[in-house]
Amino acid sequence: AQSVSQHNHHVILSEAASLELGCNYSYGGTVNLFWYVQYPGQHLQLLLKYFSGDPLVKGIKGFEAEFIKSKFSFNLRKPSVQWSDTAEYFCAVNNEEYGNKLVFGAGTILRVKS
Amino acid sequence: DVKVTQSSRYLVKRTGEKVFLECVQDMDHENMFWYRQDPGLGLRLIYFSYDVKMKEKGDIPEGYSVSREKKERFSLILESASTNQTSMYLCASSWSLASYEQYFGPGTRLTVT
Repeated sequence: AQSVSQHNHHVILSEAASLELGCNYSYGGTVNLFWYVQYPGQHLQLLLKYFSGDPLVKGIKGFEAEFIKSKFSFNLRKPSVQWSDTAEYFCAVNNEEYGNKLVFGAGTILRVKS
Repeated sequence: DVKVTQSSRYLVKRTGEKVFLECVQDMDHENMFWYRQDPGLGLRLIYFSYDVKMKEKGDIPEGYSVSREKKERFSLILESASTNQTSMYLCASSWSLASYEQYFGPGTRLTVT
């Protein structure tokens, strides 16, 4: 079965620090990749997605992610975090072989200190 | 904007009770999903539906059933609630299973005592 690993469960950063959240998945074929974010008290919402084409994907609020097929990775990055980025971040993957169901990682809780 | 609503934000039920969680979406989406979200485990798929009256099991269907009588409404049923079903339940909908993003509701925090 498909699985998704997020390397850090809790990350604490100061404002203006750079962010990289790791995500690795287990399936070797064609995949669609997503990062979702859940701000405190809010709905889960899409941050960015990759289906095909340029492996560097830009999302909302200055976030980007890079798909590296050889490493089965889709890491999320932001050059300079803000206090308002405090949230829980989920990586998710789907593929045709798994019936196109979304498989989520365990999530990374990011706290940004002001 | 797509809107996915869930019938309750907080719910407290007793062990053995039958529990209904309702979800409604307003964008004519074909697909609807029920997840549970637990700390350290992320979101796990309970059931999904790709059409009216159609349903498929997700990764953790045991102890749950679903109903989809109308396109916009997807219900999750706990036939006999147990304490290990205490969790946050999220409903989502999407145009397509393959490529399109899923839109999530606000969640229902269910406590079973």
